[in-house]
Amino acid sequence: AQTVTQSQPEMSVQEAETVTLSCTYDTSENNYYLFWYKQPPSRQMILVIRQEAYKQQNATENRFSVNFQKAAKSFSLKISDSQLGDTAMYFCAFANFGNEKLTFGTGTRLTIIP
Amino acid sequence: NAGVTQTPKFQVLKTGQSMTLQCAQDMNHEYMSWYRQDPGMGLRLIHYSVGAGITDQGEVPNGYNVSRSTTEDFPLRLLSAAPSQTSVYFCASKEGYRGYGYTFGSGTRLTVV
Repeated sequence: AQTVTQSQPEMSVQEAETVTLSCTYDTSENNYYLFWYKQPPSRQMILVIRQEAYKQQNATENRFSVNFQKAAKSFSLKISDSQLGDTAMYFCAFANFGNEKLTFGTGTRLTIIP
Repeated sequence: NAGVTQTPKFQVLKTGQSMTLQCAQDMNHEYMSWYRQDPGMGLRLIHYSVGAGITDQGEVPNGYNVSRSTTEDFPLRLLSAAPSQTSVYFCASKEGYRGYGYTFGSGTRLTVV
């Protein structure tokens, strides 16, 4: 069974700074997807970014980028130029290719300080 | 285009009562799933479906039933509510294996007293 670990329960950073959220996972599979989801106080789950394990290039979506280290089974999220609207819970998630079951980490609560 | 719609948003049940959480999507997505979110535990998969007439169990299926008679709807039934089922429930859908990722509904907060 796959496991996803987020070792930072809470983080805070000043507005406009850069912050990195950590995620590690455990799997014996070779083809899989990794995701970061954002959950603001509204409770809505919002997909931030996706990484395919077969791609060496790190995914980027505007201010959000990942550092994917397949051998180390590490998948961190970097938020650049942080904004107040980035305040949320962030969940790392894993899914095997062809298997639609998402396995989530326990989340990191990120607070952006004005 | 409403996305994934869950009803109700809030519900209080008494122990032993049954109810159905509704989930509908208007994106013609093949895949649909139900998750529960508990404090400190992230989201855990209850049941999922890869198409009409096809369902399977996830990590925590006990006490819940699902069916998928149409592509659009994927209701979750609580057979006999227990306090341990107090949670926030999310429905999600995805455009088959080609889809970029799951789209989530806004959730249902369920309290069982």
